[in-house]
Amino acid sequence: GAGVSQTPSNKVTEKGKYVELRCDPISGHTALYWYRQSLGQGPEFLIYFQGTGAADDSGLPNDRFFAVRPEGSVSTLKIQRTERGDSAVYLCASSHRPGTSGDNEQFFGPGTRLTVL
Amino acid sequence: GEDVEQSLFLSVREGDSSVINCTYTDSSSTYLYWYKQEPGAGLQLLTYIFSNMDMKQDQRLTVLLNKKDKHLSLRIADTQTGDSAIYFCAETLEGGNKLTFGTGTQLKVEL
Repeated sequence: GAGVSQTPSNKVTEKGKYVELRCDPISGHTALYWYRQSLGQGPEFLIYFQGTGAADDSGLPNDRFFAVRPEGSVSTLKIQRTERGDSAVYLCASSHRPGTSGDNEQFFGPGTRLTVL
Repeated sequence: GEDVEQSLFLSVREGDSSVINCTYTDSSSTYLYWYKQEPGAGLQLLTYIFSNMDMKQDQRLTVLLNKKDKHLSLRIADTQTGDSAIYFCAETLEGGNKLTFGTGTQLKVEL
């Protein structure tokens, strides 16, 4: 079946602009995660959705970052007033049910590469 | 706090074994994972180990966990050029929902 998809694959924007990044999880997966991967680093957790609600947003770096999942499927990560330091690959993952465990794998999408000029 | 560290780079010859190491600091970790990342591709889960185990073998992959030293390793037997990638270890805490990743080890397999 189809995996996690993310659009766009690449996004170039100017400092101060607003961007939206989209994630389509695997159908039927109730849990959805956003991570950010800076160059040469491992992914860092941003936010986790259980259904429609954000169950853990402790990784969002500041209030310029916001994410929604209004119908419990597709999610959008929104970044206001972008800064050069926001440049990174934004990864989305989904899992069948909440709770990370060995048999509840997080499936990752290919990511959106955001470049802020 | 959580901190997962890995060496940055490893080079091996095709056919040799590769050993990638990882240290973590949080003793509450319940599951530890190894992910593979190839250029332009998403993260792929290779294997995982539960914290009450000390070894897990899956075909060419062997995971060793030393909980006392908070040390995790991934051994790849008969390494092939297709194994060239960045390998990340990751942990999750008891009752947690997020993965904490290491910095990644770039494995280069030479002919």
